Amino acid sequence: QVQLVQSGAEMRRPGASVRVSCRASGYTLSDYYLHWVRQAPGRGLEWMGWIDPKSGGANFPQKFQGSVTLTRDTSSDTAYLELGRLTPDDSAVYFCARGPSSVFSDSSVYFYYYGLDVWGQGTAVTVSS
Amino acid sequence: QSVLTQPPSVSGAPGQRVTISCTGSTSNLGAGNHVHWYQQLPGRAPKLLIYGSTNRPSGVPDRFSATEPGISASLTISGIQAEDEGNYYCQSYDSSLSSWVFGGGTKLTVL
Repeated sequence: QVQLVQSGAEMRRPGASVRVSCRASGYTLSDYYLHWVRQAPGRGLEWMGWIDPKSGGANFPQKFQGSVTLTRDTSSDTAYLELGRLTPDDSAVYFCARGPSSVFSDSSVYFYYYGLDVWGQGTAVTVSS
Repeated sequence: QSVLTQPPSVSGAPGQRVTISCTGSTSNLGAGNHVHWYQQLPGRAPKLLIYGSTNRPSGVPDRFSATEPGISASLTISGIQAEDEGNYYCQSYDSSLSSWVFGGGTKLTVL
């Protein structure tokens, strides 16, 4: 059964950092891009970036440049999101989600053709003083 | 506000058909970029409903369908059921922002 299993809920003080893990089960992490999406309480979905687990290359929207780090450990099929300089506005549920096959480069039309087909269960991060 | 615009809510009685719109711009849907649709039931992770603008993943009922977008896309649910109640999101790539973007979401209420 293909699934993404995320780490448990976290609480942090403002200014701290947090790392969320996402382990691929039923498939090899390196075979597909891995995206991160967050959802603040009562709000919509916000895309945070993707990582190509095969190469380690990543891409983020400008908003998260400098505060988000995406890494992976292919030996354990686990991807990580690290978010630094936390503020209360970073309180949200963080999801990892599987993207298209990593055989496609991000300049391929197929990279944009496939949606996010497998989602983790979400990790709640609360930032409060 | 979101780059992709969705109505905040839609509603219908069981068995009715409802349509959810997703309006973009010339840098996303109007540029020919594909749209994807997700269903998020209360307390759950999103689920892919439609990819590549009009394609259903295996296991998604055929009462979910979507149109090929121009500058606006739409998701239609034919014969809505109580279990369909939740939020629906569109997603596309914005070439100007060089970023994936989501619509603000539409809450479906089954009356």
